[in-house]
Amino acid sequence: DTEVTQTPKHLVMGMTNKKSLKCEQHMGHRAMYWYKQKAKKPPELMFVYSYEKLSINESVPSRFSPECPNSSLLNLHLHALQPEDSALYLCATAKDRDSFNEKLFFGSGTQLSVL
Amino acid sequence: GIQVEQSPPDLILQEGANSTLRCNFSDSVNNLQWFHQNPWGQLINLFYIPSGTKQNGRLSATTVATERYSLLYISSSQTTDSGVYFCAVPGNTPLVFGKGTRLSVIA
Repeated sequence: DTEVTQTPKHLVMGMTNKKSLKCEQHMGHRAMYWYKQKAKKPPELMFVYSYEKLSINESVPSRFSPECPNSSLLNLHLHALQPEDSALYLCATAKDRDSFNEKLFFGSGTQLSVL
Repeated sequence: GIQVEQSPPDLILQEGANSTLRCNFSDSVNNLQWFHQNPWGQLINLFYIPSGTKQNGRLSATTVATERYSLLYISSSQTTDSGVYFCAVPGNTPLVFGKGTRLSVIA
C-alpha cells in the first residue's frame, strides 16, 4: 500500500474546464514531484517542490499550474488543456531533494482524459 | 544528458520461470532505482541500489557502477509480476527513466 495518495483516480475534462489534481503524503518528506506519463512511455518530470518552494519546472506549459500549500499537500491545477495532455499524472515524494539521490515513492496516479 | 537503456523491451514468461532484466547507463551515477509499474499504473520502488547486490524475496538486483549497468533478477515468476519494470538514475533532473521492460507472466 502506498503512503502517497492521489485523487481523483480518473478524470475526464473538456478543453474549457478547470480542474485540480491532488496529492497527499504523511511520510514527512520534504520533496514532492509531478510526473507525466503517456501510454507505453516512461514517466517524465514536470515539477519539483522542495520545502514547499518550486525548485524545478521542466518548461511545462502554463496551462499546468502547481501549488504546494503545505508540506503534506501538492496540487496540480489544470486549465484549458489540450487532448494531447491526456496521460497518467503521477505524484512522487522523497525525503529531501537536495542531493538528487533520494529514493522516490510514487502515488497511484490520476488517469486524465481531455476531450 | 545521461542515457538509460533497458533490455529486453518485452518479455513473456511461463509462470515459475526465471528472468534477468538489464539496465545500462551512459555516465557515472550515485544511485540507481528499480521500479515495477503494475497494470493499474502504480509505480512501486523495488530497489535503491547504487552499487552491490540486494535481495527482496524472489527479486534481487545487482549494480556494477564501474561498468555502468544494473541487473534485476526475478526468480520463480508469478502472474502478479506482470507489468513494466523501469530503472532510473539521476541526471539533469532527479530521475531519468529508461524506456522499461514490459513483462508478461502467463499461467
